[in-house]
Amino acid sequence: ETGVTQTPRHLVMGMTNKKSLKCEQHLGHNAMYWYKQSAKKPLELMFVYNFKEQTENNSVPSRFSPECPNSSHLFLHLHTLQPEDSALYLCASSLQGVQNKKYPDGYTFGSGTRLTVV
Amino acid sequence: AQSVTQLGSHVSVSEGALVLLRCNYSSSVPPYLFWYVQYPNQGLQLLLKYTTGATLVKGINGFEAEFKKSETSFHLTKPSAHMSDAAEYFCAVYGQNFVFGPGTRLSVLP
Repeated sequence: ETGVTQTPRHLVMGMTNKKSLKCEQHLGHNAMYWYKQSAKKPLELMFVYNFKEQTENNSVPSRFSPECPNSSHLFLHLHTLQPEDSALYLCASSLQGVQNKKYPDGYTFGSGTRLTVV
Repeated sequence: AQSVTQLGSHVSVSEGALVLLRCNYSSSVPPYLFWYVQYPNQGLQLLLKYTTGATLVKGINGFEAEFKKSETSFHLTKPSAHMSDAAEYFCAVYGQNFVFGPGTRLSVLP
């Protein structure tokens, strides 16, 4: 366990379904991220939250809807997805912008949710 | 703007042989550099990082990387490959935000 927990590990959903991915960290980090990892493609940053505020949305389709109720929890709500949305969705967290902390520690990743859209 | 390139999407080595995974970066600010490893059906795990100071950085599982500013490189090496090293390896640069390279899949042959 890395300290970042993602559930479920696997999800199969139809194109008309609504589901949610959950990410939880208790590392004291203040920033959380959603990444999409598709076969043969680089990691794609989807959303960034810093102190619960969304600071980045990389032109992600509206069928993906993030929610960050507090610094420890991050959700990705899914609806009317397409087969090309099938991928591994990774959550990560980090400590950003903390006074007296000069260097980034890097991101801590969860194990991901393997999503298959049928 | 920052970018990362990793030469070779797939590298194969024999067990016991030297592992060399290449990473080159571009950054308009002094970079912080990272290597991550991803085992099948897992997330990315930090192997090592360069922030400042010594340019040769040692990480977990016997891996190390050397920051060469003149070559804008941060290649990852391990003297002797083990079967358990088979995984995907990602180089990343942090300047104003994190940028990951496309990854290199390492296969270790018996």
